Amino acid sequence: EVQLVQSGAEVKKPGESLKISCEASGYSFISYWIGWVRQVPGKGLEWMGIIYPGNSDTRYSPSFQGQVTMSVDKSIDTAYLQWSSLKASDTAMYYCARQGQLAGPPIDYWGQGTLVTVSS
Amino acid sequence: DIQMTQSPSSLSASVGDRVTITCRASQSIRSYLNWYQQKPGKAPKLLIYKASTLQSDVPSRFSGSGSGTDFTLTISSVQPEDFATYYCQKSDDTPRTFGQGTKVEIK
Repeated sequence: EVQLVQSGAEVKKPGESLKISCEASGYSFISYWIGWVRQVPGKGLEWMGIIYPGNSDTRYSPSFQGQVTMSVDKSIDTAYLQWSSLKASDTAMYYCARQGQLAGPPIDYWGQGTLVTVSS
Repeated sequence: DIQMTQSPSSLSASVGDRVTITCRASQSIRSYLNWYQQKPGKAPKLLIYKASTLQSDVPSRFSGSGSGTDFTLTISSVQPEDFATYYCQKSDDTPRTFGQGTKVEIK
């Protein structure tokens, strides 16, 4: 069974750093892209970017380029999303999601989401 | 970048009604259009991919159509469990932009 299990909710202060995780199981981690999607409370879905665990090829949405960093650790089938300096506007639910190719196939599996709250 | 515009942003329907949601791309995306359903507090769920292919285990009352720039999601007879927010997403290339969502509420 394909599963994407994300790390737990985080409460941080502005300016702090953060790294959240997405652990994959039930399929070949290096063969599928992992994307990240942001959802601000009460708002819609925003596609942030995507990474290919096989070679760490990463594509960011222009809206998130330079704001976050995506990475993977193939040895433990885990993808990461990190911030070096959080802002209050980063408060949101963050989902990781699997897709088969860079273009074409849809997102077929989603993580359960990680709620990030940034408040002084 | 290609923009995705959904309409309406919300609608009210009674159980048994036919519901139609549209999604327009600012440039052609061929048939690379997917539809997701999201219920409160849950991750989105894939309903339809490549404009008209029903994901396995999705009820046949859901259907999708369109190509190029104009797409439609139809629920032929809306059921109580269908009240949710629906999003389209392009997948022809990155960025894989989502539409802004359509909330389907009970009348």
